[in-house]
Amino acid sequence: EDKVVQSPLSLVVHEGDTVTLNCSYEVTNFRSLLWYKQEKKAPTFLFMLTSSGIEKKSGRLSSILDKKELFSILNITATQTGDSAVYLCAVAGREYGQNFVFGPGTRLSVLP
Amino acid sequence: DADVTQTPRNRITKTGKRIMLECSQTKGHDRMYWYRQDPGLGLRLIYYSFDVKDINKGEISDGYSVSRQAQAKFSLSLESAIPNQTALYFCATSDHPTAQFFGPGTRLTVL
Repeated sequence: EDKVVQSPLSLVVHEGDTVTLNCSYEVTNFRSLLWYKQEKKAPTFLFMLTSSGIEKKSGRLSSILDKKELFSILNITATQTGDSAVYLCAVAGREYGQNFVFGPGTRLSVLP
Repeated sequence: DADVTQTPRNRITKTGKRIMLECSQTKGHDRMYWYRQDPGLGLRLIYYSFDVKDINKGEISDGYSVSRQAQAKFSLSLESAIPNQTALYFCATSDHPTAQFFGPGTRLTVL
């Protein structure tokens, strides 16, 4: 059964801190891993990763995938209160079907 | 205009009522999905469709049905709503092999 595990489930930091969110997965016929940010509304897309070792970067956020060890990390540097959200990891598998399996999310709270 | 829209945005109903949630998209994507989100359980797939003539059950399809009326429209029905179907429902679209894009969500409460 396809599975996505995220850790930690909850994290509280202060502005300026750097955080690392973890996502590990088991999926049939891996296609891609995706990160989303969810505030009090729909998830918004952050990154899609398909190749190991290639860092994707957007401002203070970056992510990398390790297909051998079956995990990804999402880094946020110099955190701001606006980074407070639930960060979701999803994996797309089954080459034909491309189902998306979501992890439970990591709830990040950034305090001023 | 939003690329993925859902109606209604909020709905309160009673046990046993039939409910339809609608999703429309202007992204031109072939693939559409319905999820429900519950606290602590994340997003769980109810049904998905890869084109107008393709409908597939997700991990929690019992108690739900769907209709893909056109490439741009995918509706979710609860034939006889029950309280444990109270949740936040999201529609999403994708176009292989891109990421999914989500609608704003429908908050459904079944009393």
